Amino acid sequence: GIQVEQSPPDLILQEGANSTLRCNFSDSVNNLQWFHQNPWGQLINLFYIPSGTKQNGRLSATTVATERYSLLYISSSQTTDSGVYFCAVEAYSGGGADGLTFGKGTHLIIQP
Amino acid sequence: DAGITQSPRHKVTETGTPVTLRCHQTENHRYMYWYRQDPGHGLRLIHYSYGVKDTDKGEVSDGYSVSRSKTEDFLLTLESATSSQTSVYFCAISGGAEQYFGPGTRLTVT
Repeated sequence: GIQVEQSPPDLILQEGANSTLRCNFSDSVNNLQWFHQNPWGQLINLFYIPSGTKQNGRLSATTVATERYSLLYISSSQTTDSGVYFCAVEAYSGGGADGLTFGKGTHLIIQP
Repeated sequence: DAGITQSPRHKVTETGTPVTLRCHQTENHRYMYWYRQDPGHGLRLIHYSYGVKDTDKGEVSDGYSVSRSKTEDFLLTLESATSSQTSVYFCAISGGAEQYFGPGTRLTVT
């Protein structure tokens, strides 16, 4: 099956810093999503981005499908950005939505 | 937020007992999924459904069964719970592209 690798696995930053999280995947994809899992365990949708670039406030994401990677940028970090960031993909199958394969996540800690 | 609820939210059960988890949606989405989350593994797909009575296996389906008799409900059953099935279970829904996740069910098998 498709492989998803996220880096770095852990990241500790001071409030106000910027960061870049990376997601590499091993095959063509129908779907790529970024999620934030907050300390209460809730999975929050950040971006649906199988290709291209999107921005939402301090967050932005870019997926280069031909090179099989995606980047999540967080600018001016706040303590509420702490948590685990997951990249998840659905391998291209030509059919319906068969489910996501998740990376193991990047654990981000923002210190005040 | 997508209208997804899971019940129960927490459950403790004994090895060998049957357990059913429920996922309910109010979005009328075609696709529904069950995932489990364990430390060191991220989330892994258990089963999914692409319509009423249409289901298929995911990566970690052994020991689990599912049923979908109505568009809005997707049930996950552990026929005989084992300690290895202690986990957090997430339901997700999709209209064919982006997936949205429920709040999760924490299941402990003692």
